[in-house]
Order: sequence, then structure tokens, then C-alpha cells
Amino acid sequence: DAMVIQNPRYQVTQFGKPVTLSCSQTLNHNVMYWYQQKSSQAPKLLFHYYDKDFNNEADTPDNFQSRRPNTSFCFLDIRSPGLGDAAMYLCATSRDGGIGGYTFGSGTRLTVV
Amino acid sequence: RKEVEQDPGPFNVPEGATVAFNCTYSNSASQSFFWYRQDCRKEPKLLMSVYSSGNEDGRFTAQLNRASQYISLLIRDSKLSDSATYLCVVNDRGSTLGRLYFGRGTQLTVWP
Repeated sequence: DAMVIQNPRYQVTQFGKPVTLSCSQTLNHNVMYWYQQKSSQAPKLLFHYYDKDFNNEADTPDNFQSRRPNTSFCFLDIRSPGLGDAAMYLCATSRDGGIGGYTFGSGTRLTVV
Repeated sequence: RKEVEQDPGPFNVPEGATVAFNCTYSNSASQSFFWYRQDCRKEPKLLMSVYSSGNEDGRFTAQLNRASQYISLLIRDSKLSDSATYLCVVNDRGSTLGRLYFGRGTQLTVWP
């Protein structure tokens, strides 16, 4: 089945140690998004790629970076994770901006110790 | 001001009850609207899109009032399996293409 796959499902990293989360999709959607969701809060958009064009949200910390080497893959790099970065990270895709909604991956739950 | 505001909840209802959630959005240029369901520690999943004329999918009915910038979700004959958080989601294509705004969600618990 076509889908959005995130790896790993759970990630534990040390304070300040760089970590990379990955997302792949078989839907051939041209837009990919990274959201951060903390407990009892709405998902918060960090950035998105429209094709190869990177769009960063104004309030996304510099600590967060992203790469999209091809249509199918997108990575979230956290350069120096802090305790406040512990959250669920959701990858989503859409075709041409999501008029029909997004498809989400199952998320990666990040713990910072 | 938040882009999408929802009933704070939580809602605790018995099986078979009818429950309604409300949502307001701030940008009148918003073009598409959704309800997503999110189970505990899982990803959001699309429950239904919301159309201007209102739409129904089994026990679920969604309504949109563009003049009031108001969206609702009605669940009839609640089931235990309906227990989840319901997220009101708005696509604003007036600014950044393809940006979805999420409400905080309304938690629903259906008890036997």
C-alpha cells in the first residue's frame, strides 16, 4: 500500500547529540512537511518542501534543519537537541498543497536524556 | 489570536449519545476544511473533509458556515471506538501554499 513511513518509531538521544529522523513516501506527493507535536498541543509546522523549494516557518529554531534529496525522502536534523525538543515528530505529504488533506506518517517519538 | 480554536473538552459521553464539537477559524480566505482523528500517541488520520453544503459519512456529520467562520462535527450513536482526540484543521492557501492550521483538539471519551 502507498504510504508515508517514518523511522524510527521511537528515538532516544542525549542532550546536545545530533539526531536525524527520516521519512519516506510511496505516494509520489510533491509536498512534504515536518510537524512537531507536544503533549496535548496542536501539531506545529516546522517547515515544508514544495518540490525542491524549502519553506521554513518563521518561528522554527535554527537547531532544526531539513533535507530532501529526492521526491521520496525527507529528513529532519536536530543539531543539538535540548530537553524542550522532546516531542512527537510527524511527517506528512500532500499533492499540490493539500486541498484534499494530508497523509501522515506514524510519527517518531523523540526522547532527550 | 490562534488560527483555529476548538472546544476545550474533554467530552465524556455514554455509548449511544450524540455529541457535537465546534471550531472557529480566523482567516476568511481559508479554502478547505477537515476533521482529523488522533488516537493516543498515534498520528492524526483524516476523518472527513468539510464541504460548504455540509456532508455526512455514516454517523458523522460535518457542517461549515463560511459567514461565521465556524465548523462543526456531530457524532451520532457514539461507540466506544470513537474515543479519541478530534482535530479541526484548516487549509489556508491565501499565504503559504499548502499550509494546514491545526486546532488543539477536543478529547472525546465514550464510556459503556
